[in-house]
Amino acid sequence: DAGVTQSPTHLIKTRGQQVTLRCSPKSGHDTVSWYQQALGQGPQFIFQYYEEEERQRGNFPDRFSGHQFPNYSSELNVNALLLGDSALYLCASSLRVYNSPLHFGNGTRLTVT
Amino acid sequence: GENVEQHPSTLSVQEGDSAVIKCTYSDSASNYFPWYKQELGKGPQLIIDIRSNVGEKKDQRIAVTLNKTAKHFSLHITETQPEDSAVYFCAARASGAGSYQLTFGKGTKLSVIP
Repeated sequence: DAGVTQSPTHLIKTRGQQVTLRCSPKSGHDTVSWYQQALGQGPQFIFQYYEEEERQRGNFPDRFSGHQFPNYSSELNVNALLLGDSALYLCASSLRVYNSPLHFGNGTRLTVT
Repeated sequence: GENVEQHPSTLSVQEGDSAVIKCTYSDSASNYFPWYKQELGKGPQLIIDIRSNVGEKKDQRIAVTLNKTAKHFSLHITETQPEDSAVYFCAARASGAGSYQLTFGKGTKLSVIP
């Protein structure tokens, strides 16, 4: 049973560029959430997608956008990258049932230079 | 919004001893409290969770307790082993329509000394 998979594992971008990160949820899961984890900090909620729509959004600017596909996989896009966007980006999947446990992938390490 | 405080930030214990990590939350409407273990280079892994209608939950060497009145919850690991060494995060989720996000603490780095 495949867990949550994310790609790429590492990425280096230049300030001002755009980046797309990808996530495939755990088999049977239909809901995808994205979190940003800065070094030495806990994950921070970016947004959650269900039925191809953004269901809830955290305190992140519009430069952060996402998409969910009919097969439940998801993408996170970040435009106009800032140095402060350097972090580990985590994807988590769950069932649509309220309080369904989140299962995280191993993340994408983004470095902005 | 919800705020979760976690203590201590680092914890060292001898192998075989117990470890306790404590968290407090601010939103009295929060009703779901998971704990995650994160090893180096990996994503957080759910190790145990508790809902607000339960005061304690145990799974082998791991237990979680919840005090809704005081708004705090704790993780207890007994008979610690070197493989328990990792960063542990507590989290809370508020109740109510439209509340799907988890708010995490800043983490506790646990070191188990052989």
